[in-house]
Amino acid sequence: GEDVEQSLFLSVREGDSSVINCTYTDSSSTYLYWYKQEPGAGLQLLTYIFSNMDMKQDQRLTVLLNKKDKHLSLRIADTQTGDSAIYFCAEIQSRSSGGSYIPTFGRGTSLIVHP
Amino acid sequence: EAGVTQSPTHLIKTRGQQATLRCSPISGHTSVYWYQQALGLGLQFLLWYDEGEERNRGNFPPRFSGRQFPNYSSELNVNALELEDSALYLCASSSGTGTGELFFGEGSRLTVL
Repeated sequence: GEDVEQSLFLSVREGDSSVINCTYTDSSSTYLYWYKQEPGAGLQLLTYIFSNMDMKQDQRLTVLLNKKDKHLSLRIADTQTGDSAIYFCAEIQSRSSGGSYIPTFGRGTSLIVHP
Repeated sequence: EAGVTQSPTHLIKTRGQQATLRCSPISGHTSVYWYQQALGLGLQFLLWYDEGEERNRGNFPPRFSGRQFPNYSSELNVNALELEDSALYLCASSSGTGTGELFFGEGSRLTVL
């Protein structure tokens, strides 16, 4: 089955690092994504990682993937108030692996950054 | 390049009425996905259209339906509205290749009174 789980809330102080965690159950997932949703807006892709990678870094963002534990994390360095948003973890199987190709999203983690 | 556009932005209906939501994908994208984002429930998959055909649907009753037009735009219809249908309805498009990234619109906020 496919199920993506995330904690619902995370509160950090401005300037600290934030770590948002996600667990998934579908071992055949080929891509895992992090999306950001600001208030009143749709979702924007922040970054993604291919399932054969362990880590991906993109400026302040670091994605870690532990396939054995089916655990994905997003670290935001030097968190700013503008990073306050809901962060969604998502997984997808590729068509070439015979997957459903329906991106499955977690419930989202609300990141609150306070001064 | 224009992103995914959705209309209307807000819609207020009463119970029992019907709602129609519209979505225009990014030019060149043939896949359109619909998700419901109800308060506290995350994104629930509704429907997936690709090349004009319904490819998959989520665990929603038949009163949720839609279609995709030859120009790949799509509409979502919700019949016999219920209070719990109040939610943000998000449309996303994808080229169906590469990383499978979804590009989302801003959503249509449906309120059922």
